[in-house]
Amino acid sequence: GEDVEQSLFLSVREGDSSVINCTYTDSSSTYLYWYKQEPGAGLQLLTYIFSNMDMKQDQRLTVLLNKKDKHLSLRIADTQTGDSAIYFCAFDSNYQLIWGAGTKLIIKP
Amino acid sequence: KAGVTQTPRYLIKTRGQQVTLSCSPISGHRSVSWYQQTPGQGLQFLFEYFSETQRNKGNFPGRFSGRQFSNSRSEMNVSTLELGDSALYLCASSLGDGSYGYTFGSGTRLTVV
Repeated sequence: GEDVEQSLFLSVREGDSSVINCTYTDSSSTYLYWYKQEPGAGLQLLTYIFSNMDMKQDQRLTVLLNKKDKHLSLRIADTQTGDSAIYFCAFDSNYQLIWGAGTKLIIKP
Repeated sequence: KAGVTQTPRYLIKTRGQQVTLSCSPISGHRSVSWYQQTPGQGLQFLFEYFSETQRNKGNFPGRFSGRQFSNSRSEMNVSTLELGDSALYLCASSLGDGSYGYTFGSGTRLTVV
């Protein structure tokens, strides 16, 4: 079946760039998403990329999609303490989202 | 524009009881989908409704059911609760026409004791 893999933790220094990676098996999705979840909260849509795009930039966020390797990444420039959260990649398939396990972003002062 | 509203926010139930959770989507959105989030299993899809019809269902036992009303509001029901049903239940609202974007509510935290 479909599968999405993410590393569980990423630790970066405040002000550095964070790069969160995701690999997936299903290549039929139209959209691929990045969601953010803060403690005790729901899921906030950060950004998305259409499957025929390679890159999308949105302020501090850059999404890269390598369809050949089935690899999706999210780069957060100038990481701030407010970026501390769990980041999920997800792709749509048959009216549902298939999720990665989430990457917890830890910011070091 | 109001967001996705889930009620109640917190719920404590006893094993064997049943529970009903509610989700009101964003105005104009016709699709509502439900997800269960637990520390062990992560985010798992329960079901999706569009214009009162279930279009897809995840791998959950029949104790989990849902429905959608003509105003697009949706409810999910869990009967004969088990300890393992303790989770954050999230609902997502979307246009349902294949365009991008699922907006999530804040979730209902269900604890089964």
